[in-house]
Amino acid sequence: KAGVTQTPRYLIKTRGQQVTLSCSPISGHRSVSWYQQTPGQGLQFLFEYFSETQRNKGNFPGRFSGRQFSNSRSEMNVSTLELGDSALYLCASSRDRANYGYTFGSGTRLTVV
Amino acid sequence: AQTVTQSQPEMSVQEAETVTLSCTYDTSESDYYLFWYKQPPSRQMILVIRQEAYKQQNATENRFSVNFQKAAKSFSLKISDSQLGDAAMYFCARDNLFFGTGTRLTVIP
Repeated sequence: KAGVTQTPRYLIKTRGQQVTLSCSPISGHRSVSWYQQTPGQGLQFLFEYFSETQRNKGNFPGRFSGRQFSNSRSEMNVSTLELGDSALYLCASSRDRANYGYTFGSGTRLTVV
Repeated sequence: AQTVTQSQPEMSVQEAETVTLSCTYDTSESDYYLFWYKQPPSRQMILVIRQEAYKQQNATENRFSVNFQKAAKSFSLKISDSQLGDAAMYFCARDNLFFGTGTRLTVIP
């Protein structure tokens, strides 16, 4: 079956711009989480959506937002990009966060210049 | 603090040997889930093994097993009969909310 699909794979944006990243979970998975991965901070949880509702949120500023659609596809948006937002953004899906391990996508590499 | 700590930034193991990766965590909850993920150089994170905190029995998946010490809040991963394909970054996680900084495992032929 198809895995978790993230688009685009690579993105270069200018400071101050905004960006939208997309994630299509595995069919049947209703939980989608987003993570930011950087060499310095490691893997940090951004937020989790379950059946279109945000179920949990990490410690990130309000510039980071997300949503989930009725087909479980999810998007995350970062507004007013800063240089420090450069990172690999990973999406992961599961039937349920607590009980099952996550299946991760390959990520979107965002570079802010 | 709700943290996960991996104290070994890098480890190496000879092919066919056994290696143990360490992980400690902090939580005030009694029920939670622990995970080990593997991230090969191709960067896609893969679930290796999971442990439910209320189960005392250590989880096992083929060559991968854990040593879960709930009182000590320790969750180490043992890889037996190491293979070249085991070379990767390994991340420990609690409830998929808190991740360690990872251990880079090198497998020596």
